[in-house]
Amino acid sequence: GAVVSQHPSRVICKSGTSVKIECRSLDFQATTMFWYRQFPKQSLMLMATSNEGSKATYEQGVEKDKFLINHASLTLSTLTVTSAHPEDSSFYICSARYRGSTDTQYFGPGTRLTVL
Amino acid sequence: GENVEQHPSTLSVQEGDSAVIKCTYSDSASNYFPWYKQELGKRPQLIIDIRSNVGEKKDQRIAVTLNKTAKHFSLHITETQPEDSAVYFCAASSAGNQFYFGTGTSLTVIP
Repeated sequence: GAVVSQHPSRVICKSGTSVKIECRSLDFQATTMFWYRQFPKQSLMLMATSNEGSKATYEQGVEKDKFLINHASLTLSTLTVTSAHPEDSSFYICSARYRGSTDTQYFGPGTRLTVL
Repeated sequence: GENVEQHPSTLSVQEGDSAVIKCTYSDSASNYFPWYKQELGKRPQLIIDIRSNVGEKKDQRIAVTLNKTAKHFSLHITETQPEDSAVYFCAASSAGNQFYFGTGTSLTVIP
């Protein structure tokens, strides 16, 4: 149980295009999903917290209009990187928390974004 | 907000020896402390966690200790094996809130 998937696993795009990343909880309902960004050999940096049916809460310094988050159902959250630039290249990882749970997070496999 | 510090940043041990990774936190309201293992290019995997009402928890070769008074918690891996080589992250959170991650420890187990 507690499987989280992400799609796509890798994406390469041209500067200026938008990229959508999906995060799904496959075998449980997730009222809360988290989006992280991870640079090589660094820790996970929380970008935003996504609650089903409400607007995402963004961390300080994260541009809301740049990183659009939608959590339309209890099993799906999406992150759209709008007008991507090379500096947006990174490893993006989502995590999900059980409905009714207040702690444990289960991570997706991550999406490697490369912006040319 | 919470501040989690993790040491050491790198750790090399001989196969069969023990490895200890330490974390400190600042927010006394934090009550949940998970440890994650991340292999290169893969997702973080929860390996053990502890809640503030417990001082120690063990799962086979892995154990975690928590000292609430001193605000620190540690991961102990005994009888290390090459497959234990990875980056380990500690985290702290209070109920219902976000995780605050440590900076990670790159563990290398030398055969």
